[in-house]
Amino acid sequence: ILNVEQSPQSLHVQEGDSTNFTCSFPSSNFYALHWYRWETAKSPEALFVMTLNGDEKKKGRISATLNTKEGYSYLYIKGSQPEDSATYLCAPHLPSNRLAFGKGNQVVVIP
Amino acid sequence: GAVVSQHPSRVICKSGTSVKIECRSLDFQATTMFWYRQFPKQSLMLMATSNEGSKATYEQGVEKDKFLINHASLTLSTLTVASAHPEDSSFYICSAREGLAGAQGTQYFGPGTRLLVL
Repeated sequence: ILNVEQSPQSLHVQEGDSTNFTCSFPSSNFYALHWYRWETAKSPEALFVMTLNGDEKKKGRISATLNTKEGYSYLYIKGSQPEDSATYLCAPHLPSNRLAFGKGNQVVVIP
Repeated sequence: GAVVSQHPSRVICKSGTSVKIECRSLDFQATTMFWYRQFPKQSLMLMATSNEGSKATYEQGVEKDKFLINHASLTLSTLTVASAHPEDSSFYICSAREGLAGAQGTQYFGPGTRLLVL
């Protein structure tokens, strides 16, 4: 089992503020890293798949960076909006095409 | 984007009952489907990987006689919790991946099934 740490576990952000959080994972045998956004009562939604060290991906106000050598990825939300409230999951890719999930970063945006 | 449905969304049953959960890919063919379980405040834990037309591969510690997986078509996989007991109460969620994608292939998730065994 891969040890995936996401911190902080939960955070409250004022509407309009920017925020970021971290996913840490073992750096050996890295294949890819997936980020998902999971709103309550909905299906987890794929945000990014990242593979290369130094990768930076962006989707609207959300962006992510990847450091495979030290084993971490940052997710940033710029100008948080209430609709950004969700749990953000990161999942490094295991051998045999499986994903290992962290517990998630629960974000609550306060209007 | 790709849509995965899961049915039922919620089930309450008596101890000893078998419960079947369906996972369907609605607009793509899923060569591989995955079943996860999540206990409160824990991460999604992979239970098994199923490939269409072949036996599922179970993760260590997951009883294959307890959690029966069938992936009979490219759009449907089922998980049957045999003779469910209260300790099987959990959130079960499936995902599906199109084609033979490797590490970069996106898994598309269903909305999950909340199982409560009394």
